[in-house]
Amino acid sequence: GAGVSQSPSNKVTEKGKDVELRCDPISGHTALYWYRQRLGQGLEFLIYFQGNSAPDKSGLPSDRFSAERTGESVSTLTIQRTQQEDSAVYLCASSPHTVAGTEAFFGQGTRLTVV
Amino acid sequence: DAKTTQPPSMDCAEGRAANLPCNHSTISGNEYVYWYRQIHSQGPQYIIHGLKNNETNEMASLIITEDRKSSTLILPHATLRDTAVYYCIVRPTDSWGKLQFGAGTQVVVTP
Repeated sequence: GAGVSQSPSNKVTEKGKDVELRCDPISGHTALYWYRQRLGQGLEFLIYFQGNSAPDKSGLPSDRFSAERTGESVSTLTIQRTQQEDSAVYLCASSPHTVAGTEAFFGQGTRLTVV
Repeated sequence: DAKTTQPPSMDCAEGRAANLPCNHSTISGNEYVYWYRQIHSQGPQYIIHGLKNNETNEMASLIITEDRKSSTLILPHATLRDTAVYYCIVRPTDSWGKLQFGAGTQVVVTP
């Protein structure tokens, strides 16, 4: 595909259920990021993957949140026992790893609503 | 951990140049200045980045002061579709961690 693909685009779940959000980065991009954006607010960093290095998990808000990435391909963000405050748009981005500075390409996000 | 300061909002008339300021007085010599924008209900979009020289592309120009403590993003001929939140971000060249988004500037282009 030409860009970062996220699925599903919308997800409604009941409080207490687990959800999995998927991100397909641009082929060849070694870096992958997850962000959360609550309604009317800015982007909150969640986690960052770079190649085979240990991921930067410093933004994960609680142990209910986890993410995995298989090599340099798809990533899955899992939220366990969802709460209403988890309602937000979850954005994924990928970028190549170059010396000269580079851009991150964002997907359109998954809108999660916890009812 | 905020590294940049931007005005919360600004208006611009359609067809005029929009000049968006950003203060990054604590920038280090190895940090780039990046600009992204987020149009309502979309993911952020890269605009431009620079280290110390001014840069221009098909979307915008980036003017970085000689001391690198501030920069200005210029949209030469604003259109209604340029209405968005614009984010100025600094990022080290040798540290490939998270992009730290601040509150940005809400730009409204009016007819």
